[in-house]
Amino acid sequence: KQEVTQIPAALSVPEGENLVLNCSFTDSAIYNLQWFRQDPGKGLTSLLLIQSSQREQTSGRLNASLDKSSGRSTLYIAASQPGDSATYLCAGFFSGGYNKLIFGAGTRLAVHP
Amino acid sequence: NAGVTQTPKFRILKIGQSMTLQCAQDMNHNYMYWYRQDPGMGLKLIYYSVGAGITDKGEVPNGYNVSRSTTEDFPLRLELAAPSQTSVYFCASQAGSYEQYFGPGTRLTVT
Repeated sequence: KQEVTQIPAALSVPEGENLVLNCSFTDSAIYNLQWFRQDPGKGLTSLLLIQSSQREQTSGRLNASLDKSSGRSTLYIAASQPGDSATYLCAGFFSGGYNKLIFGAGTRLAVHP
Repeated sequence: NAGVTQTPKFRILKIGQSMTLQCAQDMNHNYMYWYRQDPGMGLKLIYYSVGAGITDKGEVPNGYNVSRSTTEDFPLRLELAAPSQTSVYFCASQAGSYEQYFGPGTRLTVT
């Protein structure tokens, strides 16, 4: 069964810290992996999409990596700011089966001044 | 572009009532999806569509129905609402790159 897991479920850090959010998946036949941000009471905003042929993607202070062999992806946030406080979800699109994203439960991040 | 829009934003239903959640996208995407998100959980796929006239079940389709008569619209129908359907519902569309774009969600309470 294809599963996506995110640890930790919650994280609280002081402003300015560099941090890493983890995402693991059980099926190495992953087509791509997408990281989303969700603010309370809002929809999901796509942050980064990594195709299976890529190892990482960068956007501003965000860097996401993908390691298919170990079944892991990480989202690196540099110089965290209070505005980064949100829930971050990863989702994998797997080969085979029907077309769907499998979501992790998310990491709730709080960056305090 | 408005992207993916959903109506209503909030709704309270009584047990046994029915309603339709509306979803529309203006990006000409063929693939569209309905998810539900329960507190502290990831998103679960209810139904999806690969194009007008074609729909299929996801992980949790019971109690729901969909139709896709146009590329733009993908409504979700709840028949005989139950408390277990209290959730936040998200509609999404997918680009050719497989990147998914989400609407703002509909928060539904069934009492």
